[in-house]
Amino acid sequence: QQQVKQSPQSLIVQKGGISIINCAYENTAFDYFPWYQQFPGKGPALLIAIRPDVSEKKEGRFTISFNKSAKQFSLHIMDSQPGDSATYFCAASIQGGSEKLVFGKGTKLTVNP
Amino acid sequence: GAVVSQHPSRVICKSGTSVKIECRSLDFQATTMFWYRQFPKKSLMLMATSNEGSKATYEQGVEKDKFLINHASLTLSTLTVTSAHPEDSSFYICSALWDSFYGYTFGSGTRLTVV
Repeated sequence: QQQVKQSPQSLIVQKGGISIINCAYENTAFDYFPWYQQFPGKGPALLIAIRPDVSEKKEGRFTISFNKSAKQFSLHIMDSQPGDSATYFCAASIQGGSEKLVFGKGTKLTVNP
Repeated sequence: GAVVSQHPSRVICKSGTSVKIECRSLDFQATTMFWYRQFPKKSLMLMATSNEGSKATYEQGVEKDKFLINHASLTLSTLTVTSAHPEDSSFYICSALWDSFYGYTFGSGTRLTVV
């Protein structure tokens, strides 16, 4: 129930293409869904986050789509750039509860020039 | 805003010695901090949750006596790896809950190598 399942494990996209990473969860009590970007040797950095009262959130080239009934959320990176090459983690937590972040296993994105 | 500073970024220590890693919130008060361990090409594994002024809560399977966590002030949490062994070599990351709406911020991580 505490798991967040992330796919794909790795993704290769051409420059200018769309990168799509998917996550699914079981615990309906989760109410905060962030995406993190991590470069080698660095800590994760918040990319974008969504709460279950909205179905989509867009910030620049990054969009989260959220499907509450399917218990799924996804990250779309438009016009992918080589600088976007990193590992992306989805996560979920219960704000006001234990507040522990439950992470997906990560997706290594490679954007070819 | 919401910056967490983690030091050192890299440390090499001899087997049997102890190493302390610091995590400081620079521009906010962090009531709750989290410590993670990350193996190469793997996800973050939560080790423990620390709350200012109280004992840390450890995740199942994490040795409390080996990984000592102290959260003595609202801006500082420390992780001490005691009697380190090569299998403790890993990337350790701290995080702080800085806002119930905006969520969490992470430190830059510490690469620990035990030789």
